[in-house]
Amino acid sequence: AQSVTQLDSHVSVSEGTPVLLRCNYSSSYSPSLFWYVQHPNKGLQLLLKYTSAATLVKGINGFEAEFKKSETSFHLTKPSAHMSDAAEYFCVVSEAADNKLTFGGGTRVLVKP
Amino acid sequence: GAVVSQHPSRVICKSGTSVKIECRSLDFQATTMFWYRQFPKKSLMLMATSNEGSKATYEQGVEKDKFLINHASLTLSTLTVTSAHPEDSSFYICSASRPLGGSSYEQYFGPGTRLTVT
Repeated sequence: AQSVTQLDSHVSVSEGTPVLLRCNYSSSYSPSLFWYVQHPNKGLQLLLKYTSAATLVKGINGFEAEFKKSETSFHLTKPSAHMSDAAEYFCVVSEAADNKLTFGGGTRVLVKP
Repeated sequence: GAVVSQHPSRVICKSGTSVKIECRSLDFQATTMFWYRQFPKKSLMLMATSNEGSKATYEQGVEKDKFLINHASLTLSTLTVTSAHPEDSSFYICSASRPLGGSSYEQYFGPGTRLTVT
């Protein structure tokens, strides 16, 4: 069975400072890992994904994440937060066998001016 | 990128009535679609997997007679909430699985439907 734990339910950063969203996963197989963003009253948008290629994955809007198998982590980072980054972020795991996605609990990001 | 639409985006219905939500993949064929439910300020919970031409597979704890899923074509899946009650009020999100080659797929999400039962 697969599971995802997002370690912070809320993260508050100042505009222009780095953002770190933490995610740990559990999977019986070689997983695919994703980060999605959800702005208020909007659909989910894929930021980036890891599918057993390079462990450092670059996504859209300056985000990147590093897959660390030894730590079962897939933390999301951005060097400089923008006001438009305020949203809910979901770490997601999938095992290829069934194509099902398991969502973490989400991290709400607040960006202060 | 691939586009998935949902209709309606918002619906209000009276308790005891049924409401149908449509999920369409606009520019690709999806043999598999998924339905999720999201409570306020909560994560997405997978309700069921919808396979074209066959019965949906429901997750544990989801009432299949209450949440009827039909996947009649490769571009359309519908979720019908039957005899809706206020506790069914939620944000319902669908996704469509697009094959990328081999055994690789990517899911594309619809914008969601907010259901309010009065």
